[in-house]
Amino acid sequence: DSGVTQTPKHLITATGQRVTLRCSPRSGDLSVYWYQQSLDQGLQFLIQYYNGEERAKGNILERFSAQQFPDLHSELNLSSLELGDSALYFCASSVGLAGLYPDTQYFGPGTRLTVL
Amino acid sequence: TQLLKQSPQFLSIQEGENLTVYCNSSSVFSSLQWYRQEPGEGPVLLVTVVTGGEVKKLKRLTFQFGDARKDSSLHITAAQPGDTGLYLCAGAEGYSTLTFGKGTMLLVSP
Repeated sequence: DSGVTQTPKHLITATGQRVTLRCSPRSGDLSVYWYQQSLDQGLQFLIQYYNGEERAKGNILERFSAQQFPDLHSELNLSSLELGDSALYFCASSVGLAGLYPDTQYFGPGTRLTVL
Repeated sequence: TQLLKQSPQFLSIQEGENLTVYCNSSSVFSSLQWYRQEPGEGPVLLVTVVTGGEVKKLKRLTFQFGDARKDSSLHITAAQPGDTGLYLCAGAEGYSTLTFGKGTMLLVSP
């Protein structure tokens, strides 16, 4: 158990719909990361927040957005869903200390999104 | 965009065999991490290597970072069924975000 929780575990929805994925980081971690994992693209970084502020952006579509709340939990919003958005979505957290190298990221169990 | 290529994509072996998986890039990374991901779970960090030529051992797992910091290898000795999983490498420039390879799926049969 990494200490990172994600809900829901599974989500099935239809094209065009909007969903929200939720992540609670490990106690004490200030940084949250969102990743998308699919068979063809592998694990792709989407976005990072640190203490409520956006810190880094990766291959995140404009239809997707995220935020980190004052209690440090984070939500990833996916809208106008397409079949190709079906994937595993992971949240990870870390202490968030800036240094020479990335600090250890602890991954949650993921949310499996199926768009029909 | 930096790309990390992992090989082989899939490896099926018998318990007790040795194996090596590779992670290669045309770009230089300041650090490289290896993760193992088991079915239904998120990736778990195994090791971080930061120095060219560095070798780290974790029980039966040996990790090496290439001298030029563009490639890495993971060697498993006497593989066990518990080693089954997806092995991912991820590179970073400084404190930047991680770029992941697509992984090597390892299946170790009893």
